[in-house]
Amino acid sequence: DSGVTQTPKHLITATGQRVTLRCSPRSGDLSVYWYQQSLDQGLQFLIQYYNGEERAKGNILERFSAQQFPDLHSELNLSSLELGDSALYFCASSTIDKGEAFFGQGTRLTVV
Amino acid sequence: AQSVAQPEDQVNVAEGNPLTVKCTYSVSGNPYLFWYVQYPNRGLQFLLKYITGDNLVKGSYGFEAEFNKSQTSFHLKKPSALVSDSALYFCAVRDGGGKLIFGQGTELSVKP
Repeated sequence: DSGVTQTPKHLITATGQRVTLRCSPRSGDLSVYWYQQSLDQGLQFLIQYYNGEERAKGNILERFSAQQFPDLHSELNLSSLELGDSALYFCASSTIDKGEAFFGQGTRLTVV
Repeated sequence: AQSVAQPEDQVNVAEGNPLTVKCTYSVSGNPYLFWYVQYPNRGLQFLLKYITGDNLVKGSYGFEAEFNKSQTSFHLKKPSALVSDSALYFCAVRDGGGKLIFGQGTELSVKP
């Protein structure tokens, strides 16, 4: 168990809908990262938050947004969903910039 | 920009034989390098990291990695492979902002 909790584990939704993925980082970790894993794109970095502030942005679509709350949990919002958004979405957290990141079990999103 | 490359999509090894999963990196400055393993339908698990110090890094489950600055490589190794080592392996580098940048992954298959 990495200590990073993601909910829900599975999500099936229709095109055009909006969903929210939730992540609770390890106790004490200030950095939260979101990644998307699909078969053809591998592991793509989406966005990073550090202590409530956005720190880095990757290949995140405008239809996607995220935030980190004062209690350090984070949410990834995906809207106007398309079939191509079907993927595994991972959250990870870390304490310091040079250290390893710990990953949650992921949320498998299926858009039908 | 920081990047890593995993030149092999798949590595096949017989149980009991040594295994190597290759990774090369491209960074400006000192590299912070990591190996992760992903079992089916699971999150990524941290195996080991190189920050500084000894070029041979020991990690979880008997894995080790050799950092080679002249060849810009960070190959993952294990002296004797187990069938249970079969999984997807990712090499990663941490960039200046703290996020991890992953290679495309290498599927390791260990046959009895």
